[in-house]
Amino acid sequence: GAGVSQSPSNKVTEKGKDVELRCDPISGHTALYWYRQRLGQGLEFLIYFQGNSAPDKSGLPSDRFSAERTGESVSTLTIQRTQQEDSAVYLCASSSGTGNTIYFGEGSWLTVV
Amino acid sequence: GEDVEQSLFLSVREGDSSVINCTYTDSSSTYLYWYKQEPGAGLQLLTYIFSNMDMKQDQRLTVLLNKKDKHLSLRIADTQTGDSAIYFCAERPGGYNKLIFGAGTRLAVHP
Repeated sequence: GAGVSQSPSNKVTEKGKDVELRCDPISGHTALYWYRQRLGQGLEFLIYFQGNSAPDKSGLPSDRFSAERTGESVSTLTIQRTQQEDSAVYLCASSSGTGNTIYFGEGSWLTVV
Repeated sequence: GEDVEQSLFLSVREGDSSVINCTYTDSSSTYLYWYKQEPGAGLQLLTYIFSNMDMKQDQRLTVLLNKKDKHLSLRIADTQTGDSAIYFCAERPGGYNKLIFGAGTRLAVHP
């Protein structure tokens, strides 16, 4: 696609429910990132995928968070048993394997009530 | 350690130049980035600079890098109301693939 595509763009869920957020990177980009942005704050790194290498999961805040990536395409970020503090914008980004330019999607706005 | 700091707010008059400052801590950072975020939108890559450069110019944007002081700035010439947004500075530490972001500087442009 022309850019990084994320869905849903907005999600309201009840506390305790599981949510899945999807990211479709730019075609041909082997690197994919997930970041979280709480209201009025900067971006927190969550996880990084590069090709078939083991992902860098060092930013995942708890074991309720997990992410998968199918080959070098779509990625899904799953949050289990959501809590109110999970409310944030979840941003996905992609880049070519050796590229210095990292492009972001529009984000998925998650509200836990 | 990894830490990127920015001032939180800047107000300028339309037509003036804006200078947004950023400091970072990781001397191994290879690339430094500026992103723009408009309300309700994702991050738009504005420009980036390699650590062996001290200046990069792209139309109205000028990036200055002082590697010794670990200081990065973004100058926007002839600031317009459409430049009102939050500007994020980010570093890419050497050996890492992730970007470390600052908290963002909110730029307000008034007539």
